[in-house]
Amino acid sequence: DTAVSQTPKYLVTQMGNDKSIKCEQNLGHDTMYWYKQDSKKFLKIMFSYNNKELIINETVPNRFSPKSPDKAHLNLHINSLELGDSAVYFCASSQEGSSYEQYFGPGTRLTVT
Amino acid sequence: QQQVKQSPQSLIVQKGGISIINCAYENTAFDYFPWYQQFPGKGPALLIAIRPDVSEKKEGRFTISFNKSAKQFSLHIMDSQPGDSATYFCAASDSGGSNYKLTFGKGTLLTVNP
Repeated sequence: DTAVSQTPKYLVTQMGNDKSIKCEQNLGHDTMYWYKQDSKKFLKIMFSYNNKELIINETVPNRFSPKSPDKAHLNLHINSLELGDSAVYFCASSQEGSSYEQYFGPGTRLTVT
Repeated sequence: QQQVKQSPQSLIVQKGGISIINCAYENTAFDYFPWYQQFPGKGPALLIAIRPDVSEKKEGRFTISFNKSAKQFSLHIMDSQPGDSATYFCAASDSGGSNYKLTFGKGTLLTVNP
């Protein structure tokens, strides 16, 4: 059983398009996150949700909009894609109060051409 | 402002050697210090973690050393193996403040040669 899953694994699209990445966790965790990992491997937190409520929004452009339909899902929608959005996006989850112990998904490699 | 500084950026070690990665932090409110291991094409995974009331924690070949006064902590990998080749991230969290954020270092690419 996959603990944190993401779809799709690869996403290639053109500038200006809108795309979504889906994330699901079956660990029963209350908190979910989205990270962006650039070509230099730097992991940057984008959003954090706890019990479907947005907790952290780290100065991410408005073109990025997370949506949490329930505690097990956190999707990321990106409007008007730009070249600089190319990166690997990771979803993660943790128990509430245990942000140090996060479980990451396999990542979605987004390439904008 | 980088709150967790990690060095070196890359490290090459011979099989059987000791790998040492260092991190320093600024925020004294941090109270949990995990290390994550990431293999190519995979997501990061928690390797080992330490609280500041402990100076050392060992799990198998992996040891965290913690120096609270210096605000530094390090990961030691004993008897390094080619299978340890991965990117390692130190991190820090503040359970008293924003309980939903983990601050990562920039990562160290470890290569263990056979």
